[in-house]
Amino acid sequence: DSGVTQTPKHLITATGQRVTLRCSPRSGDLSVYWYQQSLDQGLQFLIQYYNGEERAKGNILERFSAQQFPDLHSELNLSSLELGDSALYFCASSVAGTGLMNTEAFFGQGTRLTVV
Amino acid sequence: AQTVTQSQPEMSVQEAETVTLSCTYDTSESNYYLFWYKQPPSRQMILVIRQEAYKQQNATENRFSVNFQKAAKSFSLKISDSQLGDTAMYFCAFMKQRSNYQLIWGAGTKLIIKP
Repeated sequence: DSGVTQTPKHLITATGQRVTLRCSPRSGDLSVYWYQQSLDQGLQFLIQYYNGEERAKGNILERFSAQQFPDLHSELNLSSLELGDSALYFCASSVAGTGLMNTEAFFGQGTRLTVV
Repeated sequence: AQTVTQSQPEMSVQEAETVTLSCTYDTSESNYYLFWYKQPPSRQMILVIRQEAYKQQNATENRFSVNFQKAAKSFSLKISDSQLGDTAMYFCAFMKQRSNYQLIWGAGTKLIIKP
């Protein structure tokens, strides 16, 4: 158990809908990272939050947004869903916000999103 | 832009054998980190080993070791005395220094350990 909790584990929804994925980081970790793992695109970094502030953006679509709350949990919002958004969405957390500093990012078990 | 290439989509070896997974990358950065992650059927992404580019010594973690060739931009993973529990997808990943786990991933290698 990595200590990173993602809910729900599975989600099935229809095209055009909106969903929210939740991530609770390990205790003490200030950074949260979101990744998408799809058959077409492989693994991609989406976005990072550090202590409530957006720190870095990767290949995140405009239909997607994220936030990190004062208790440090994070939510990834996916809207106007398309079939191609079907993927495994990972959250990871780490202590540091800048630089590796000998810290490790720990991954949750992911949320499997299926858009039908 | 950085890219990571894993040229072996699938590999299969007998239990107790040694297996090497290949990874090459392309970057103009001089300081960076390289990782091998394991993803078993449980989907959990687990760090196997990491290498800081400024370190010449190859990283080792028990049965797992890397062959890091910076000039050749190669980062292979060697698994010794392979075990059934090593069956998983293995991903090579690249991270620029101070880029905060904005990992760039390879396509993965499916490793099957046969009894």
